Amino acid sequence: GAVVSQHPSRVICKSGTSVKIECRSLDFQATTMFWYRQFPKKSLMLMATSNEGSKATYEQGVEKDKFLINHASLTLSTLTVTSAHPEDSSFYICSAPPSSANEQFFGPGTRLTVL
Amino acid sequence: AQSVSQHNHHVILSEAASLELGCNYSYGGTVNLFWYVQYPGQHLQLLLKYFSGDPLVKGIKGFEAEFIKSKFSFNLRKPSVQWSDTAEYFCAVINTNAGKSTFGDGTTLTVKP
Repeated sequence: GAVVSQHPSRVICKSGTSVKIECRSLDFQATTMFWYRQFPKKSLMLMATSNEGSKATYEQGVEKDKFLINHASLTLSTLTVTSAHPEDSSFYICSAPPSSANEQFFGPGTRLTVL
Repeated sequence: AQSVSQHNHHVILSEAASLELGCNYSYGGTVNLFWYVQYPGQHLQLLLKYFSGDPLVKGIKGFEAEFIKSKFSFNLRKPSVQWSDTAEYFCAVINTNAGKSTFGDGTTLTVKP
């Protein structure tokens, strides 16, 4: 199957700093990528849809100025958590659907801890 | 809006017991259906998927699921569970129009050795 990578896998930062998470499709191009957030022992919540060449689409209740998304190329989307606070600590997962398949391939996730 | 409901939040079984995890979805259009597993400390892995055709789908590790369109259900089954099946299981639906996945709340499966 298609491979999606995320970097970093873990990050610890101080409150008030910004953190960038990268999502890459390694062997296919993705005009769309999705960003999810998973709380401990909870399901995945879709945060936003990242669109190459246009603005991201955010789900209701997700602050777009807090979670900046940039789809820089057909293989890279980045999520920047700005002015991070402890409540932003979570597991962030991206996914990408190859244009030829109506399914998604998930990255391994990034564990963010804000002190 | 589409939604996915997993009825069992936590299931505890002994090894060799049979497993069935319920999943129902609500969406009137065409959907693709998935079951994912997440082992402790690891990322999501695809167990099986249904797009079309035979409604009984076989996946990895002896899992299978049956799509019943009239019931909007896609239940996951395994005839004999193992201790290594202890994990979190998620049912997901992709709306083929929007391409977005919606996940159920997940079911924690604990298999006692």
